[in-house]
Amino acid sequence: GESVGLHLPTLSVQEGDNSIINCAYSNSASDYFIWYKQESGKGPQFIIDIRSNMDKRQGQRVTVLLNKTVKHLSLQIAATQPGDSAVYFCAEKPSGTYKYIFGTGTRLKVLA
Amino acid sequence: EAGVAQSPRYKIIEKRQSVAFWCNPISGHATLYWYQQILGQGPKLLIQFQNNGVVDDSQLPKDRFSAERLKGVDSTLKIQPAKLEDSAVYLCASSLGPLNTEAFFGQGTRLTVV
Repeated sequence: GESVGLHLPTLSVQEGDNSIINCAYSNSASDYFIWYKQESGKGPQFIIDIRSNMDKRQGQRVTVLLNKTVKHLSLQIAATQPGDSAVYFCAEKPSGTYKYIFGTGTRLKVLA
Repeated sequence: EAGVAQSPRYKIIEKRQSVAFWCNPISGHATLYWYQQILGQGPKLLIQFQNNGVVDDSQLPKDRFSAERLKGVDSTLKIQPAKLEDSAVYLCASSLGPLNTEAFFGQGTRLTVV
């Protein structure tokens, strides 16, 4: 079936270090992958997306890497800040559909 | 630009009662989504509208859940009757169109069924 999951439920990172959040997906036919950030008591906030024909995409302090061979997606956050503390979700859009399937999330804790 | 508005913010009801949630998407956004987020899990799509038409409602428990977007703008999600397992945060999101990957979420309505 279709599913999106994450390797690590909680990730603790020292302020200023780089963070890497991983995600495994099972549907090789998905054509878009998205990362969302959700702070406590708020709805998810779009961070960055990547199309399936790309391997890498960069945004402001964030980079998403897509490895279709092993069905793996990662989000790299450079110089992690306290404001980055949140739960991060990856989501995939199966080709031919308009819906996004979310994974279970990874909590990022930034240590001062 | 105003964000996605949802109300109420919190709701506590007894099982077998009914409840309704309201969502006002960002102006001009044709696509509207309702998600259910159980504590500790990722959001699960319940229903997706394109203007006032349903695009996907495959995961909506239609025996108790209903949703409408009659004029293609505001939307309501109703649960009748509620069960204990319906306790969750109900998130509304909108996007310019179905192919837009960037969806904007509201703060959600936290429902507790006792």
